[in-house]
Amino acid sequence: GEDVEQSLFLSVREGDSSVINCTYTDSSSTYLYWYKQEPGAGLQLLTYIFSNMDMKQDQRLTVLLNKKDKHLSLRIADTQTGDSAIYFCAENRGTYKYIFGTGTRLKVLA
Amino acid sequence: GAGVSQSPSNKVTEKGKDVELRCDPISGHTALYWYRQSLGQGLEFLIYFQGNSAPDKSGLPSDRFSAERTGGSVSTLTIQRTQQEDSAVYLCASSLGLAGGAGANVLTFGAGSRLTVL
Repeated sequence: GEDVEQSLFLSVREGDSSVINCTYTDSSSTYLYWYKQEPGAGLQLLTYIFSNMDMKQDQRLTVLLNKKDKHLSLRIADTQTGDSAIYFCAENRGTYKYIFGTGTRLKVLA
Repeated sequence: GAGVSQSPSNKVTEKGKDVELRCDPISGHTALYWYRQSLGQGLEFLIYFQGNSAPDKSGLPSDRFSAERTGGSVSTLTIQRTQQEDSAVYLCASSLGLAGGAGANVLTFGAGSRLTVL
């Protein structure tokens, strides 16, 4: 199918690491993205990874890509209450075609 | 402009009325996208513009939905004879378009227009 799948909810304690997982479907996707959506706002790009990379690190964020299993993950180190939001993964299948997951709602407990 | 601007931010309308939603993309972005986000759902692709043309309208849910873009800039999404199932947040995004490279593929989103049909 065409779906990009994510678990719906994740709850972590402040200071712990969060890992948000995503399974995509098209092995020819060139780029994969993570977006963050805070309440009442649009989607904000967090990071992206090119399909020939296995890992990308950007401050507290680490993206891991397993092309064989079509699995993408986002790890947030030292999670803070301000990280509470919905996180979307997306794959880019061509010039303009982006397929988004259903989003994972991250709740950070103080 | 500095970001993608959408208006109105909130719209409440009665069933059967027509509504227009506006998107002003980032200056210089040739590609423009409309998505719909229903409560608890992911993003549903509606339409994509490259310049003023719309190569892909496949996501428009019915013939009550239409969109246009003029001057390669502002876009309007029109929903005629609104139904309650049209209630959602309508998100607009823009990107550099066909120039290629990682930068060209990044979508920048507006804050959305929340439509409520009573």
